[in-house]
Parts: sequence; C-alpha cells; structure tokens
Amino acid sequence: DAKTTQPTSMDCAEGRAANLPCNHSTISGNEYVYWYRQIHSQGPQYIIHGLKNNETNEMASLIITEDRKSSTLILPHATLRDTAVYYCIVESGNAGNMLTFGGGTRLMVKP
Amino acid sequence: DTAVSQTPKYLVTQMGNDKSIKCEQNLGHDTMYWYKQDSKKFLKIMFSYNNKELIINETVPNRFSPKSPDKAHLNLHINSLELGDSAVYFCASSTRQGPTEAFFGQGTRLTVV
Repeated sequence: DAKTTQPTSMDCAEGRAANLPCNHSTISGNEYVYWYRQIHSQGPQYIIHGLKNNETNEMASLIITEDRKSSTLILPHATLRDTAVYYCIVESGNAGNMLTFGGGTRLMVKP
Repeated sequence: DTAVSQTPKYLVTQMGNDKSIKCEQNLGHDTMYWYKQDSKKFLKIMFSYNNKELIINETVPNRFSPKSPDKAHLNLHINSLELGDSAVYFCASSTRQGPTEAFFGQGTRLTVV
C-alpha cells in the first residue's frame, strides 16, 4: 500500500507555478521522497527526490517540511506538456527501487 | 538512443496462450523491474531482479516469470494467459546502490481475448 496521500486532481494555468502537495506522515528516517510523473500513454518519468533538504533540478523543486511529514513539488512555470499524473512515493534507498505507486495527482495545465 | 526499450508495444492474444515481452536497457544498470498498470491505472511492482537476487511481489501469480539472459535484458514470460492479465506492462531499470532514479520503458499493452 502507498504511504502517501495526494489530491486526486488539480488545475493550473499555463505559465503559472504548479504546487503539488503530498502527505507522508508515517515516513521513516531512512525513507526518501520521490516524485515521478506519467504523461498519457507513456512510461513513468523520474522528476526529483529528497531526504530532508529541499532539492531543485531543471524540472522542478521539492520542498520537504522540517518534520518530513509532507512535501510539495513545484513546477515553476507550468506548460501544457506538464499535464500528467504526478506520483509522490516514499521508499528507502536500499536494495534497488521497488516503487510503490499510489493514485497520484492528475494535473491539468490549462491555456 | 532509447534507454529502456520494450517489445512488442502492443500484444493481442487468446486466453490460455503463453507469451513473452522483451525488455532491454542500455544504461549499464544492474537492476531491472517489471511493473503492471491495470485498467484503473494503478501501477504495481511485479519483480525486481539483478544478477544476484530476484524479489517477487507476493501478489504476482506464478504464471509470470522473469527471465534474464544477461544484465541488459529482463524478459517477462507469461503462461496460460487469463483475461485479467490484460494491462500495460512497464519495464524499468536503475542502479542497485542507494536512492536513485528509475528509467521506465514505454510499456507493452497486453490484451487477452
């Protein structure tokens, strides 16, 4: 079972920041927060991951609360191509990445 | 170059048949996976495999078996196909050590009729 809770769907205006929340109140000390997305009819795509500190890469920023019980994925300037299902996943960094996907958030970016 | 490639992309077959889906990765990764995405769009891990260890999700029927001829390939063989096996199957790969990203293939849509 997924260890995360995400809203089922969200809308965002094109060009604006998309902020996708995720609750993971039972996260353990050795578990990382991963974000993946799945654009329609494609395989999941890695976005970012973090442990405690906030992280940023060319795709997004990940903000993790100090108690690590929740996080937010930020797409700074959403485009229509960012329309996808976004998955927040909590897994330890050991022994490969057997990812447990939940229902995710369906983000619709609108013109 | 495609990092993780699967063939075929579409597969339609009759109940009771045996079929295989092939997966290849050119990333030099040591661990490969198979995931299943059902009609409700839930993605579930089926197997994790490297040259030393096979980890099987306990919910996977033993009609499903991963076969790895070498480190770059992990094929999925399915015996006695059932209607409920219809789904999209994704192959993925990653390094084994530490937290890292997994790369997914584009999926194989299996339809059992």
